[in-house]
Amino acid sequence: GEDVEQSLFLSVREGDSSVINCTYTDSSSTYLYWYKQEPGAGLQLLTYIFSNMDMKQDQRLTVLLNKKDKHLSLRIADTQTGDSAIYFCAVPSGTYKYIFGTGTRLKVLA
Amino acid sequence: GAGVSQSPSNKVTEKGKDVELRCDPISGHTALYWYRQSLGQGLEFLIYFQGNSAPDKSGLPSDRFSAERTGGSVSTLTIQRTQQEDSAVYLCASSSRQGQETQYFGPGTRLLVL
Repeated sequence: GEDVEQSLFLSVREGDSSVINCTYTDSSSTYLYWYKQEPGAGLQLLTYIFSNMDMKQDQRLTVLLNKKDKHLSLRIADTQTGDSAIYFCAVPSGTYKYIFGTGTRLKVLA
Repeated sequence: GAGVSQSPSNKVTEKGKDVELRCDPISGHTALYWYRQSLGQGLEFLIYFQGNSAPDKSGLPSDRFSAERTGGSVSTLTIQRTQQEDSAVYLCASSSRQGQETQYFGPGTRLLVL
């Protein structure tokens, strides 16, 4: 079946860039998503990329998609303490399902 | 309200009791999903509703789990004879139509089975 992998932890210093990676085994040709989950909260949509794009930039966020290697990444520039959270990638599977990664816990050190 | 709401926000129950979890999707959203998030795990798909179509129940882990969606809006997830391994956060999400549209999540219900 489909599998979506993320590293569990990432620690960066405030002001540095963070790169969160996601690899998957299969994907439908639609949107791939990044969600952010703060403690005690649900998932908040962060950004997304359509599968025919290689890159999308949205303020401090840059999403890169390498379809050949089935690799998705999220770069956060000038990381702030408020960016500390768990980040999930979501990859389409079939006509309406998404497979979510295990989540990467980002810790930003002041 | 503007977003997806879920109730209760927290639920503590004893092993063997039944629980009901409620989800109010965004008004007008025809698609509704339930997920389970266990400690340190990703999101596990449980069930999908789309309009008046038969739901996709393929993710329900056992026959103790069931869900309904009344009038194409509010949904209830019921867990019968709860077990300790049912302890998790149960998340509900809705999207505007069929297909892989953006899912909007509620805050979740944290279930603890003692």
